[in-house]
Parts: sequence; C-alpha cells; structure tokens
Amino acid sequence: DQQVKQNSPSLSVQEGRISILNCDYTNSMFDYFLWYKKYPAEGPTFLISISSIKDKNEDGRFTVFLNKSAKHLSLHIVPSQPGDSAVYFCAAGGSGTYKYIFGTGTRLKVLA
Amino acid sequence: NAGVTQTPKFQVLKTGQSMTLQCAQDMNHNSMYWYRQDPGMGLRLIYYSASEGTTDKGEVPNGYNVSRLNKREFSLRLESAAPSQTSVYFCASSEGTGTYGYTFGSGTRLTVV
Repeated sequence: DQQVKQNSPSLSVQEGRISILNCDYTNSMFDYFLWYKKYPAEGPTFLISISSIKDKNEDGRFTVFLNKSAKHLSLHIVPSQPGDSAVYFCAAGGSGTYKYIFGTGTRLKVLA
Repeated sequence: NAGVTQTPKFQVLKTGQSMTLQCAQDMNHNSMYWYRQDPGMGLRLIYYSASEGTTDKGEVPNGYNVSRLNKREFSLRLESAAPSQTSVYFCASSEGTGTYGYTFGSGTRLTVV
C-alpha cells in the first residue's frame, strides 16, 4: 500500500515556464513533507519542506503548496531552467518520526 | 567539506557472499539512515539510527544488519547476499526530525549475481 504517490512518472516543460510536480498521500498523520531533487549517479538533494501548519512555503524559484483536506502537495518551479532537469521525490513523515516515506519520483525535463 | 561519504561506490557480489557498506558524515548530525532505491519503488528505508547508540528497523530490514559505530559512522551489512538485494544504496544523515532534510551520500551500486 503506497502511502505517498507521485502519479506522473515524467514531465516535460519549456524553459522559462512553470513546472508543477504533484504528490498525494493517504496517511492523515503525516505532518512534514519534503521535496528532493536527484541527478543521475548522485544522491538526492534536499530542496524544500513544509509542515502541516502551513499551506505554502517559498524558497527562491521553488514553492511548495499543501492542501491537507485533499492530502495533496505540489512543487512549483518558476521559471524552469534546463539545470532543473532531474528526478524529484516527495517524502512525508509524522511528528517526531524518523521514518519518512518517499514517493516513486517524477522525472522533469526542461527543454531549452 | 565532504558531507556524507559512502564506500564503495560499486560492488558485485556472488549470491551468499557477505559485505559491509560504510558510511561516514562530518556534519555532527545525530541521525543516520540507510535507504535503497529500486526502479519504480522510490527510496525505501532499511534501518535508521536516531542517535549514537540506537538503531531501529525501517520498511525493508530483512537481510540486513547495521552498526552505529560512533556519531560519525553507520555501516550496513549484508550477511548472505541475494539477487533481490541488487539495488542502489544511499546513506543519509540529518540534524533531527520534522522539516530537517536529509543529506545523502552519492550511493553504492550493488549487484548480486
């Protein structure tokens, strides 16, 4: 039973446009949500996070939105750049937990 | 500054062989983790160590053992490797829970034949 789902395996976006990556979860006990970016042959890199007390968190070109009632979060990248081409993972965990559950990832390709 | 260092980067084992994956971090983080990544499965937690001296099972602990040698080092041991353990293994560390992100190592690609 997959508790964290990224239903789009891949996404292509033109350079300069907005990239929207989606993530759904089933466990209402999750309180913390994180996004990671992964380039080939490298480890994932932490990008941005949000706690359940917020509905939006912004860091430069990256914004994460959380809709708790829908159990849905999204990562917006504006404007998208070719260097953003990577696999993006969302992860979720409960308060005080060390066990973060990862989604299966979405491969983003930003076309120049 | 190195962050999280994993060794080896690549390894091929025969079924039934044993090996230990090494991980060290230099960020003075309390918590350390071992994940495996398989195609279509995302990253799955094998074991974690919330602090020096403690270890706990994650989602997929069967066939593995871990040792938190000190605050810096956290090793993963495969006692009798099986083809199902062919995967990319990532070690990670973090300051704590909540919105603290992990710092990952660059991974070990393990093939069991």
